Amino acid sequence: TQLLEQSPQFLSIQEGENLTVYCNSSSVFSSLQWYRQEPGEGPVLLVTVVTGGEVKKLKRLTFQFGDARKDSSLHITAAQPGDTGLYLCAGGSVGGSQGNLIFGKGTKLSVKP
Amino acid sequence: GAGVSQTPSNKVTEKGKYVELRCDPISGHTALYWYRQSLGQGPEFLIYFQGTGAADDSGLPNDRFFAVRPEGSVSTLKIQRTERGDSAVYLCASSRQFGDYNEQFFGPGTRLTVL
Repeated sequence: TQLLEQSPQFLSIQEGENLTVYCNSSSVFSSLQWYRQEPGEGPVLLVTVVTGGEVKKLKRLTFQFGDARKDSSLHITAAQPGDTGLYLCAGGSVGGSQGNLIFGKGTKLSVKP
Repeated sequence: GAGVSQTPSNKVTEKGKYVELRCDPISGHTALYWYRQSLGQGPEFLIYFQGTGAADDSGLPNDRFFAVRPEGSVSTLKIQRTERGDSAVYLCASSRQFGDYNEQFFGPGTRLTVL
């Protein structure tokens, strides 16, 4: 069974601080996606990484896919209250139906002004 | 709007009743997915359609759960003899095509409460 472990589970920081959240697995994934979900809404796709070692930047957010395609990280620089939400990583299975995204449990981020 | 829509947004039912949850995918998206999200958890895969056919239903928990997509667009998730453990948010997602690096776009979900 493929599992994605996210850490930390909860994170509360002050506006302006930097943070990193992690997504780890013992399994290889064909792709890794990061989503952000707010209460009462569905997850919103932030980024997809598909190549081992890939780094993508989205304004203050930096995403990295591990060389072995088993782990990923999300780094936020100078966090703002608008970054508050649940951050989910999701992996696409190698050799699977490619319809089955496996999600982690998420990191709940709270940024206080 | 141009996004995935789901109806109803909330559904309260009694144990043992039958419910139907509807999903309208993004126009032109051929792949459609259903997930279930329990409190404090990430979404859990249920079933995936490519066109009208269920390409992978390995996530359906038991035979009380069934989903259809008769015309390759709108999908309905059907739950028979609901149980309290079925209470969760049911999310629908769509993607442009099969093998699209799984870039799925989610609807707001239907919150199902079984009393």
